[in-house]
Amino acid sequence: EIVLTQSPGTLSLSPGERATLSCRASKSVNSNFLAWYQQKPGQAPRLLIYGASSRAPGTPDRFRGSGSGADYTLTISRLEPEDFVLYYCQQFDNSFTFGQGTKLEI
Amino acid sequence: EVQLLESGGGLVQPGGSLTLSCAASGFAMSSYGMNWVRQAPGEGLEWVASITTSGDDTSYRDSVKGRFTVSRDNSGSTLFLQMNSLRAEDTAVYYCAKDGSVTALYKFFNYWGQGTLVTVSP
Repeated sequence: EIVLTQSPGTLSLSPGERATLSCRASKSVNSNFLAWYQQKPGQAPRLLIYGASSRAPGTPDRFRGSGSGADYTLTISRLEPEDFVLYYCQQFDNSFTFGQGTKLEI
Repeated sequence: EVQLLESGGGLVQPGGSLTLSCAASGFAMSSYGMNWVRQAPGEGLEWVASITTSGDDTSYRDSVKGRFTVSRDNSGSTLFLQMNSLRAEDTAVYYCAKDGSVTALYKFFNYWGQGTLVTVSP
């Protein structure tokens, strides 16, 4: 099973700043099978990015996914107050696994 | 509008059984693989099970194999998760989630239900 390690666990920034979230896999992942989700308190996760870099419908363009192989990044260019929530990466390789999450806090 | 509505959660004793349902609307459920994902209180997301469009193929995480069964009724647009021999560690919010692609080119979940809470406790 591929393990996804997200870093940092918690990221403290201010509105307007740039956030860089990392997702590292224990072995190379097909980039078509790498996705990012956002989860607000008390809500279901919401798809942000699929195929490592394609924005889902409704995802603001300040969110950008990148990476290949075993290293992937979610970049939020100018943080808005509503962006300070949880983010998960996910991969598929025979089965799905999620990273442990990064909490973005003010 | 795509909607996924889970039901069937509740309090159950260790060793007990529960069946979750997920009613799908707003899309042709028969064209998409479907999935269950859970989240223990205060914890991260954990994939539980997946089922292909026809229901012929299913897959499970190791910790639920032999105890959980995923199935679907395409005519009724409903996904199910039969859970037997429940353990305390199965306590979680259970979400159903829709495959985002009709092909195997991409793998991701583009719609999620609001979740249903399963609590396993004496």
